[in-house]
Amino acid sequence: DSGVTQTPKHLITATGQRVTLRCSPRSGDLSVYWYQQSLDQGLQFLIHYYNGEERAKGNILERFSAQQFPDLHSELNLSSLELGDSALYFCASSVAGGITDTQYFGPGTRLTVL
Amino acid sequence: GDSVTQMEGPVTLSEEAFLTINCTYTATGYPSLFWYVQYPGEGLQLLLKATKADDKGSNKGFEATYRKETTSFHLEKGSVQVSDSAVYFCALTLSGGGADGLTFGKGTHLIIQP
Repeated sequence: DSGVTQTPKHLITATGQRVTLRCSPRSGDLSVYWYQQSLDQGLQFLIHYYNGEERAKGNILERFSAQQFPDLHSELNLSSLELGDSALYFCASSVAGGITDTQYFGPGTRLTVL
Repeated sequence: GDSVTQMEGPVTLSEEAFLTINCTYTATGYPSLFWYVQYPGEGLQLLLKATKADDKGSNKGFEATYRKETTSFHLEKGSVQVSDSAVYFCALTLSGGGADGLTFGKGTHLIIQP
């Protein structure tokens, strides 16, 4: 158990809909990262938040957005969903977001878009 | 851009065999290097890491040495067990202000037969 929690574990929805994925980092960690894992694209970094502020964006679509709240939990919002958005979405946390810091991964949310 | 290349497999070995999974990287700066492991149905777990040239990361019998001259971080284990069957990901982080996420290779599926 990494100490990172994600909800829900599974999500099934339809094209065009909007969903919210939630992540709680390990106690004491200030950085939260979001990743997408799909068969064709592999594991891709989406976005990084540090202590409530956006620090970096990776391959995140404009239909996707995220935020980190004062209690440090984070939400990833996916809108206008397409079939190709079906994937595993992982959240990871680290102490301070430095490049030598270990990122601890949650169990993931499996999103299925029908 | 930054990238990681690793053999995709599947790699099938007998129990107690010697394991090598090759990983090479391309980076514009001086990255930190990681190996993560993903067991079926689970999130990623850090296996080992190295943050500067010639560092050796080790854990659970696995080792990898950061080789700047060959831009490599090959994973080795002297005697594999059935329980080592999993997908192994090589990854790097590179500071673009200390905020970038992990860049992953495509993963190597390892199967250990009794």
